[in-house]
Amino acid sequence: NAGVTQTPKFQVLKTGQSMTLQCAQDMNHNSMYWYRQDPGMGLRLIYYSASEGTTDKGEVPNGYNVSRLNKREFSLRLESAAPSQTSVYFCATPPRPEETQYFGPGTRLLVL
Amino acid sequence: RKEVEQDPGPFNVPEGATVAFNCTYSNSASQSFFWYRQDCRKEPKLLMSVYSSGNEDGRFTAQLNRASQYISLLIRDSKLSDSATYLCALNTGGFKTIFGAGTRLFVKA
Repeated sequence: NAGVTQTPKFQVLKTGQSMTLQCAQDMNHNSMYWYRQDPGMGLRLIYYSASEGTTDKGEVPNGYNVSRLNKREFSLRLESAAPSQTSVYFCATPPRPEETQYFGPGTRLLVL
Repeated sequence: RKEVEQDPGPFNVPEGATVAFNCTYSNSASQSFFWYRQDCRKEPKLLMSVYSSGNEDGRFTAQLNRASQYISLLIRDSKLSDSATYLCALNTGGFKTIFGAGTRLFVKA
């Protein structure tokens, strides 16, 4: 089992370009999360999906949209990338919301 | 005040040393607590869950102090391979898990 996978691993964008970060899990978990990690800031929640068909905003949702395509897949979209969105993006999923989170390997994004 | 605070370090210790990290939190309703380990350019991985009674896993001991609202991680007999960033995390109920910014540890030969 792959656990949690993310694509791409690295991406360089120019300001104003758009892209979608993909996440898939084979753990059969209901909830999935998107975080960004910046130096000195820790992991901050962008959006989460409690179950297939639902999504909710986290701490830093501005500039992002998400889609819970099915139980396995949760994508994060940047419609018009900004330099402030340069970060490492992690997808995660727990067996239950209050339990440990299993993270994907991350996507490193640089916006010029 | 941040919901979760950690000393960013870095902690530089020799092999064999004992080192301890604390993590303070502000929400007294926090229900579950964790320590994660994150290697450079990798994803965080669970090191230990933290229980009210405290728990130990080999050289690692985690404690929870609800009265003073902090959790701790003690590493005994440090190894070079323990060099990493250690993140504390807590769940305040429902779908909200808060992570600390992490404490960097360097273990030197």
